[in-house]
Amino acid sequence: TQLLEQSPQFLSIQEGENLTVYCNSSSVFSSLQWYRQEPGEGPVLLVTVVTGGEVKKLKRLTFQFGDARKDSSLHITAAQPGDTGLYLCAGVKKNAGNMLTFGGGTRLMVKP
Amino acid sequence: EAGVAQSPRYKIIEKRQSVAFWCNPISGHATLYWYQQILGQGPKLLIQFQNNGVVDDSQLPKDRFSAERLKGVDSTLKIQPAKLEDSAVYLCASSPLRGGKNTEAFFGQGTRLTVV
Repeated sequence: TQLLEQSPQFLSIQEGENLTVYCNSSSVFSSLQWYRQEPGEGPVLLVTVVTGGEVKKLKRLTFQFGDARKDSSLHITAAQPGDTGLYLCAGVKKNAGNMLTFGGGTRLMVKP
Repeated sequence: EAGVAQSPRYKIIEKRQSVAFWCNPISGHATLYWYQQILGQGPKLLIQFQNNGVVDDSQLPKDRFSAERLKGVDSTLKIQPAKLEDSAVYLCASSPLRGGKNTEAFFGQGTRLTVV
């Protein structure tokens, strides 16, 4: 059982559609990070959310941290083929040596 | 700024053989992580160092895996003996400490291990 559960695991959509990816846990995190990983590469940070209820926008991507700091969501508006990749959420637990623990990932494919 | 360097990029070994991976983190980063990523899954933390001390190694299979961080800089991860289920990408990452907290983790390209 993973500390962070991501859903859906796989998502295949057409260019121009909207989508939301969820990251849920029963644990409280001091911060939560979203990464994107391309094949053959390591994950690259997209955003860090720290405050409960915080919303951050990165162009067409909107990230939200839950009020209780246990969950987060990533919403993509008007998806493009360049958004294709593995999206990973990762939580930092303050009282656990600042460990960075990842969810299982959501594999997104955007078809032209 | 140079990124996290890992070597080798690819390694194929037979089961029961031993293998070692090397990681050179970004200069000045206090925290170094080793993750195992099995195909189709998220990265699983194996061990986390802060400087040359171990912060967490609870998910490291210590009967066959070992890791060290030389002088708080470079790190090596060793598997001896390897099993088929160790086939995965091994990712090294480093993170600066700011205000006592780990911030963004910067990842290397990983080492893809195939055990046959």
